[in-house]
Amino acid sequence: QQQVKQSPQSLIVQKGGISIINCAYENTAFDYFPWYQQFPGKGPALLIAIRPDVSEKKEGRFTISFNKSAKQFSLHIMDSQPGDSATYFCAAPSFNQGGKLIFGQGTELSVKP
Amino acid sequence: NAGVTQTPKFQVLKTGQSMTLQCAQDMNHEYMSWYRQDPGMGLRLIHYSVGAGITDQGEVPNGYNVSRSTTEDFPLRLLSAAPSQTSVYFCASSYSLAGGRETQYFGPGTRLLVL
Repeated sequence: QQQVKQSPQSLIVQKGGISIINCAYENTAFDYFPWYQQFPGKGPALLIAIRPDVSEKKEGRFTISFNKSAKQFSLHIMDSQPGDSATYFCAAPSFNQGGKLIFGQGTELSVKP
Repeated sequence: NAGVTQTPKFQVLKTGQSMTLQCAQDMNHEYMSWYRQDPGMGLRLIHYSVGAGITDQGEVPNGYNVSRSTTEDFPLRLLSAAPSQTSVYFCASSYSLAGGRETQYFGPGTRLLVL
C-alpha cells in the first residue's frame, strides 16, 4: 500500500516562530502535493498546494518546498500565530489508484502565545 | 451553497447494530469519497465514487457498504458495527478525480462511538 510519511506527529511553537512539517512520498502518477488544515471539530480544508513546475510556492505566511529527487516536500509557517493551531495533513496522488489522494498521518500544531 | 453536509454529527451504537451515515453535496461534484480519521493514522479512504452508479473500494472498505444513486448523495452503511469502527468519518467531494489534483471539499464529520 502506497504511503505518505509525515513528521512530526505533534509540534509546539512559540508565537512568531517558524513551524516546519515534513512529508515523504513514494512514486506518484502526478506531481501535485496539497496540504490540508483541520481545526478541532471541523473537516479538513485545502490550505495550499504545489505543482511540479516550481520547487517552492508561497501564499502569505505559508510556503511549500518541494524536492523531487528526494521525494520530499514540506510546509513552513512563518511568524506562527495561535490561530494557526490545527492539524495539518499532507497528501500525494496515488501511483496506481487513479491518482486518488493518499494522506499523511497528520501533525497537530500548537502555537503558544 | 451548503457545500458538503453530513448527518448525524454524533452517534452511539452497540456492537452488532447497523446504521447509515448520510452525506450530501450541492456543488454538482462527480467525485465523492468517505474517509475515517483515527489518531496517528491520518485520513484513510473507505469507499469512493466517480459518478452516479459507480463505486469502488478504498484502503479500508471492510464492514462498510456504499451506493450512489444520485450525484448529490453518497451514504455510508455500517452493516454490523464493531468497536474497531469507532472513529470520525468524513465525506468529501470534488469536481472530478483528475489525478487527485482537484480540491477536495470535506464535510463537518460524524463522530461514531461503538460500544
